[in-house]
Amino acid sequence: DAGITQSPRYKITETGRQVTLMCHQTWSHSYMFWYRQDLGHGLRLIYYSAAADITDKGEVPDGYVVSRSKTENFPLTLESATRSQTSVYFCASSETSRSYNEQFFGPGTRLTVL
Amino acid sequence: AQKVTQAQTEISVVEKEDVTLDCVYETRDTTYYLFWYKQPPSGELVFLIRRNSFDEQNEISGRYSWNFQKSTSSFNFTITASQVVDSAVYFCALNQAGTALIFGKGTTLSVSS
Repeated sequence: DAGITQSPRYKITETGRQVTLMCHQTWSHSYMFWYRQDLGHGLRLIYYSAAADITDKGEVPDGYVVSRSKTENFPLTLESATRSQTSVYFCASSETSRSYNEQFFGPGTRLTVL
Repeated sequence: AQKVTQAQTEISVVEKEDVTLDCVYETRDTTYYLFWYKQPPSGELVFLIRRNSFDEQNEISGRYSWNFQKSTSSFNFTITASQVVDSAVYFCALNQAGTALIFGKGTTLSVSS
């Protein structure tokens, strides 16, 4: 199916464990983004990528690692999960960096860190 | 610095009432885009509208309308004759530099029957 998918949709893990959230898009969009959504904060940018092998930090990057070896995939790794990383994570993609480009969002991953 | 403020955290209305969601933004650039997204209880983010900084015409789409005023840096969203299905969190967002969206904190709209 065309679009942007995220897996898993729900994840419960324990403090200190490594967790990887997957994001896959089928449009061959150049740009991909990871946001986290928390009550009272709206959505905040964690990392983004302009193309394969090009990534950059957003507003809240600490504790996260990203990679982009293929255009269609943009995994987000929590190397040592903490309770403060309990959140809903959204992946998004856009065709270019132009500010008019709509960003298409995945369905989100709800992560709970115990 | 760029910033989006949605001062209304929660709004509750009764069906068929009109409701306006406020959005105020800050940017130093002259070229930028503003967006509204809807997040229903199911959790996905649904794109509603995009408006560029050079187009101040109001937009109407069915029961939805948007009022963009550069003089007050506002991009308000009005739902006419609200319905229960309009219950959702609504986000206003700004895209200036073209890298990522800057979101407001969202307004939770509850429409009761």
